[in-house]
Amino acid sequence: DAGVIQSPRHEVTEMGQEVTLRCKPISGHDYLFWYRQTMMRGLELLIYFNNNVPIDDSGMPEDRFSAKMPNASFSTLKIQPSEPRDSAVYFCASTPGLARYNEQFFGPGTRLTVL
Amino acid sequence: GENVEQHPSTLSVQEGDSAVIKCTYSDSASNYFPWYKQELGKGPQLIIDIRSNVGEKKDQRIAVTLNKTAKHFSLHITETQPEDSAVYFCAAPGGGKLQFGAGTQVVVTP
Repeated sequence: DAGVIQSPRHEVTEMGQEVTLRCKPISGHDYLFWYRQTMMRGLELLIYFNNNVPIDDSGMPEDRFSAKMPNASFSTLKIQPSEPRDSAVYFCASTPGLARYNEQFFGPGTRLTVL
Repeated sequence: GENVEQHPSTLSVQEGDSAVIKCTYSDSASNYFPWYKQELGKGPQLIIDIRSNVGEKKDQRIAVTLNKTAKHFSLHITETQPEDSAVYFCAAPGGGKLQFGAGTQVVVTP
């Protein structure tokens, strides 16, 4: 298995533009997580899905952020409009089985820079 | 919300020495305590985890200890090597999700 795949790996955009980050979880994993990592706030959980259904989006910063999981093999995190404070590394992770607290397999991340 | 505190934030050790990182958690119902290692430019990767029915778990040079009464758990790395240099995160369940500590930057000097 190729592991969790994220694209793009790097994204540089200007303030006000729409940004879409993509994630392909490991096949067969039931849970998918989106995290944001910054020096100031560390690793923050934004939202997670179970069987393609959003379960907890309390970590989503504001309405400018949205996430979807149209099928078991694809998820997107969208920021519209983007702001400089959204600059961070965004990770997608997936985990197998029924238990939420199992090993999470992280993707390589997308480094987002908003100018 | 639930909190996981991690100390120290940075740790410099001589190659061959031991490194210890400590975390405390607040949710007494927590029963799963993983440790992740993050190398530069990569996502975190699980290196060891422990569940609340045991007090200690070892995997080669890495061990984790858990004190449920005091609500803290620790990562021990023995005989450190340069490839152990990375950021290490502890985590514990809280508020219905896995809460991560702030991370410890470990630098192993030859």
